[in-house]
Amino acid sequence: EVQLVESGGGLVQPGRSLRLSCAASGFSFDDYAMHWVRQTPGKGLEWVAGISWNSGSTDYADSVKGRFTISRDNAKNSLYLQMNSLRVEDTALYYCAKAPFGVLLIEYFDYWGQGTLVTVSS
Amino acid sequence: EIVMTQSPATLSVSPGERATLSCRASQSVGSNLAWYQQKPGQTPRLLIYGASTRATGIPARFSGSGSGTEFTLTISSLQSEDFAVYYCQQYNKWPSSFGQGTRLEIK
Repeated sequence: EVQLVESGGGLVQPGRSLRLSCAASGFSFDDYAMHWVRQTPGKGLEWVAGISWNSGSTDYADSVKGRFTISRDNAKNSLYLQMNSLRVEDTALYYCAKAPFGVLLIEYFDYWGQGTLVTVSS
Repeated sequence: EIVMTQSPATLSVSPGERATLSCRASQSVGSNLAWYQQKPGQTPRLLIYGASTRATGIPARFSGSGSGTEFTLTISSLQSEDFAVYYCQQYNKWPSSFGQGTRLEIK
């Protein structure tokens, strides 16, 4: 059974940093691209970032480019999102999501984690 | 960015009846469209990809159709567990984008 378990969310002040983690199990993690998608009541679902199976390709939404960094450790079956210079508008539930392919594509997501809540507020 | 518009925002249907949900793209996305189901407090679940292909384990009462800019998700005979929020997503053009959702509620 595919399982994706996010952690690392919390309350942080604007301008500070936070690192999210996603622990994967139940599939061959190093065969698939992975993504982060966030959800807010106001803006709905928004794709944030993606990374190919071997970390050779990464991609970011314009809203986070230059501030967020996606990475993975295939030896640990883990995905990460380093979030710097956080803004109030980054407040959201952040999901780790599995892609159906290994290369990084504009794609759908076949499995999602339960999410970790990030609140940016002073 | 391609804007995905779902209608209606809320749909009230009785159990056993058919539900038809719509999704419109601001420009053609071919058949690169997915549908997800999200129940309260739960994670999104992939239902349909490629506009009409059911994901693994999805019951046959869920079907998707359409191409280009107009898409439909049909649930042929609603079960109690089908009442949820449904989202469409285009993955034809960067960045991938989602609709705002249709809430399917019990009538």
